[in-house]
Amino acid sequence: GAGVSQSPSNKVTEKGKDVELRCDPISGHTALYWYRQSLGQGLEFLIYFQGNSAPDKSGLPSDRFSAERTGGSVSTLTIQRTQQEDSAVYLCASSSWTSSYEQYFGPGTRLTVT
Amino acid sequence: AQSVTQPDIHITVSEGASLELRCNYSYGATPYLFWYVQSPGQGLQLLLKYFSGDTLVQGIKGFEAEFKRSQSSFNLRKPSVHWSDAAEYFCALYGGATNKLIFGTGTLLAVQP
Repeated sequence: GAGVSQSPSNKVTEKGKDVELRCDPISGHTALYWYRQSLGQGLEFLIYFQGNSAPDKSGLPSDRFSAERTGGSVSTLTIQRTQQEDSAVYLCASSSWTSSYEQYFGPGTRLTVT
Repeated sequence: AQSVTQPDIHITVSEGASLELRCNYSYGATPYLFWYVQSPGQGLQLLLKYFSGDTLVQGIKGFEAEFKRSQSSFNLRKPSVHWSDAAEYFCALYGGATNKLIFGTGTLLAVQP
């Protein structure tokens, strides 16, 4: 079946602009995660959604970052007033309710802030 | 504290040679452990996982890993490497109640012809 999809695959933006990154999880997966992969920090957890529960936002690096998940499916990660240090690959993953530890990743969005 | 260490940043092996990538973890209980592979410009693909039971687990693409509790290790192995195995490999630990994966810094594998 279809895996996790993310769009866009690449995004170049100017410092100070807002960007939105989209994730479509695997159909039927109730859990959705965002991670960030950067040269200096490796792979970092950002945020976790499980069903209709309040999201775990403990990994968001600043209040410029936010995410929402509509209808328990598609998620959008928004970065406001982008900074150069936001340049990274943003990875989305999903998992089923019964196997939340087994996460399947999308191809990522490479964000470059100029 | 929960953490994953991959001591080798970069490894080069010859095609057909055996491979072992090291992973050490720190976790207070029985860990759930994973190996992922990432090819250039791609996302992470799950190679194999360990939850409990047999300490030697088999994965896709001919990879296996052995869980050793006494050494807090979960090393990845392959008996004969193919050129297509060149990629970056990440070991990860499931953080339990935190619901997140904790990743090592990765090992970049190069395969010489």
